[in-house]
Amino acid sequence: ETGVTQTPRHLVMGMTNKKSLKCEQHLGHNAMYWYKQSAKKPLELMFVYNFKEQTENNSVPSRFSPECPNSSHLFLHLHTLQPEDSALYLCASSQLGLAGGPGTGELFFGEGSRLTVL
Amino acid sequence: AQKITQTQPGMFVQEKEAVTLDCTYDTSDQSYGLFWYKQPSSGEMIFLIYQGSYDEQNATEGRYSLNFQKARKSANLVISASQLGDSAMYFCAMREGGRAAGNKLTFGGGTRVLVKP
Repeated sequence: ETGVTQTPRHLVMGMTNKKSLKCEQHLGHNAMYWYKQSAKKPLELMFVYNFKEQTENNSVPSRFSPECPNSSHLFLHLHTLQPEDSALYLCASSQLGLAGGPGTGELFFGEGSRLTVL
Repeated sequence: AQKITQTQPGMFVQEKEAVTLDCTYDTSDQSYGLFWYKQPSSGEMIFLIYQGSYDEQNATEGRYSLNFQKARKSANLVISASQLGDSAMYFCAMREGGRAAGNKLTFGGGTRVLVKP
């Protein structure tokens, strides 16, 4: 199994739909992240979970709702999205050091879920 | 102000030649980390190389090396002996702060590299 797996890889939804993106990491890491990658914009950090606790919500609209039931799984629940929310959503994980410090540092990413909102 | 700036939106490089991708950063923290990632068309972000702000030597990983100039706040990536498989988007990223920062990364806008045979 690859380190970080995201499903679905592609998703098309209407503005009134409710859907969820799933991320699973098989690396034994203790931190997980959601990033948004829109065309012609840098990656934007959305949410951070350290030891299953949300530590960052980067001013993300409430139509995006994250859930982290355990250190290996991360969800992004989507409802009443807008066309401008169409993007590649990337999940990542990392290993924090003691007391939540940087640890090894690098993020390990999944292949992303490409979302199209009609 | 942008924290990570990549001024080259796209570059062509001849196969087997070296290429340098520019990255400048802006931070007032003394402790920070700099990363380079590769994103092929599949979408996955692949970690390439890391440089810590206190590392005195430039980082190297195989064909990748990081030209770290702290006073100029630049962290350029050098890819030696380019291969066709190196064609991808390349992103520079920074982690600011010390222990409390966790591993949040801020990314630049990326540079698209196309290797010509």
